[in-house]
Amino acid sequence: NAGVTQTPKFQVLKTGQSMTLQCAQDMNHNSMYWYRQDPGMGLRLIYYSASEGTTDKGEVPNGYNVSRLNKREFSLRLESAAPSQTSVYFCASSERSGTEGYGYTFGSGTRLTVV
Amino acid sequence: LAKTTQPISMDSYEGQEVNITCSHNNIATNDYITWYQQFPSQGPRFIIQGYKTKVTNEVASLFIPADRKSSTLSLPRVSLSDTAVYYCLVGVGGFKTIFGAGTRLFVKA
Repeated sequence: NAGVTQTPKFQVLKTGQSMTLQCAQDMNHNSMYWYRQDPGMGLRLIYYSASEGTTDKGEVPNGYNVSRLNKREFSLRLESAAPSQTSVYFCASSERSGTEGYGYTFGSGTRLTVV
Repeated sequence: LAKTTQPISMDSYEGQEVNITCSHNNIATNDYITWYQQFPSQGPRFIIQGYKTKVTNEVASLFIPADRKSSTLSLPRVSLSDTAVYYCLVGVGGFKTIFGAGTRLFVKA
């Protein structure tokens, strides 16, 4: 089925370790996003890529880096993981911005625990 | 993006109609109103989007009054599987969409 695929689904890291979360979409969408969701909270935007070749900071970018590898793929990297980064991470894509036209399509999430 | 206000939580019973209202007093002329649904352990899912009057699809209806300062998501005859968090978003042309805490709907048997 068409959609947004995230890997891995679960990950446990030790403080200070690094890792990359992968995201790929097969809907030929221009824009891609990374959000984090803490327990009982809404989603907070980490980074987004309005189109291939561009990336911009969202609400909570500190401690993260992103790469828009091509139109399909948008990765999120934690260089030195901290317990405060324990969260569920969602990748999303949209044809244009998510609040006009076609809306967002989200992946199923990566549950990250930093100990 | 326009600021939105929606109830933190709602309870309902199976078979009832549920209406969730979102207030957006400073909505701009070109803003769309979009609702998302999030089940536990899943990403949000687009439900419905509208600009004015009424929009209906196979999942829900969206009622928007003439002044567009509020909107109501209507879920007909809810079931246990409609237990989820519902988010109201208002805006256009922006990428920095903020999903607030949403409304937690709990459907009881």
